[in-house]
Amino acid sequence: AQSVAQPEDQVNVAEGNPLTVKCTYSVSGNPYLFWYVQYPNRGLQFLLKYITGDNLVKGSYGFEAEFNKSQTSFHLKKPSALVSDSALYFCAVRDRGAAGNKLTFGGGTRVLVKP
Amino acid sequence: SAVISQKPSRDICQRGTSLTIQCQVDSQVTMMFWYRQQPGQSLTLIATANQGSEATYESGFVIDKFPISRPNLTFSTLTVSNMSPEDSSIYLCSVDPQSNYGYTFGSGTRLTVV
Repeated sequence: AQSVAQPEDQVNVAEGNPLTVKCTYSVSGNPYLFWYVQYPNRGLQFLLKYITGDNLVKGSYGFEAEFNKSQTSFHLKKPSALVSDSALYFCAVRDRGAAGNKLTFGGGTRVLVKP
Repeated sequence: SAVISQKPSRDICQRGTSLTIQCQVDSQVTMMFWYRQQPGQSLTLIATANQGSEATYESGFVIDKFPISRPNLTFSTLTVSNMSPEDSSIYLCSVDPQSNYGYTFGSGTRLTVV
């Protein structure tokens, strides 16, 4: 089975500083990787995905992620964090479920951006 | 990207009762997915619902506890049956619209069982 791991439960960053949320993956074959954000009392919002192509993927709200095959990582980055970026972030990989493809999620990383 | 309307957004239920959650999609999709997010936890897939066939459940989830209907290509329901406090979670439906926007999720149903 495919899996992703988010090694940090929480990331604290000052507003205006770079933000990085880490994700490592374990897959057989080519990975389909995703990042989602969950704001309080809201569903998951899609940020970006990597399937093939450029290792640097640009997504919504100024986020980007770098696919690194040698390090099996797919870290989420934002050059300058905003207070409004405070939320719960999930890395996910497309996996094989009982009925076909599904998403398998990492444990989530809570981001707190301080003014 | 697909837009999903999920309801109710939240509910407080007595133990032993059942709650049915609805998801309506604004376009036709082959598969719909139901996830559970327990407090402070990540998301776990409960089952996959295809139109015209019985849902397929992941390990650890059974139809008697989480019956699912999929009457057409834009609608599905998940029922949480005979609820206990351990069922208190956020339940989310999801679709894969085969677009550049990835899997789309409903806004979730926050269930509290007392």
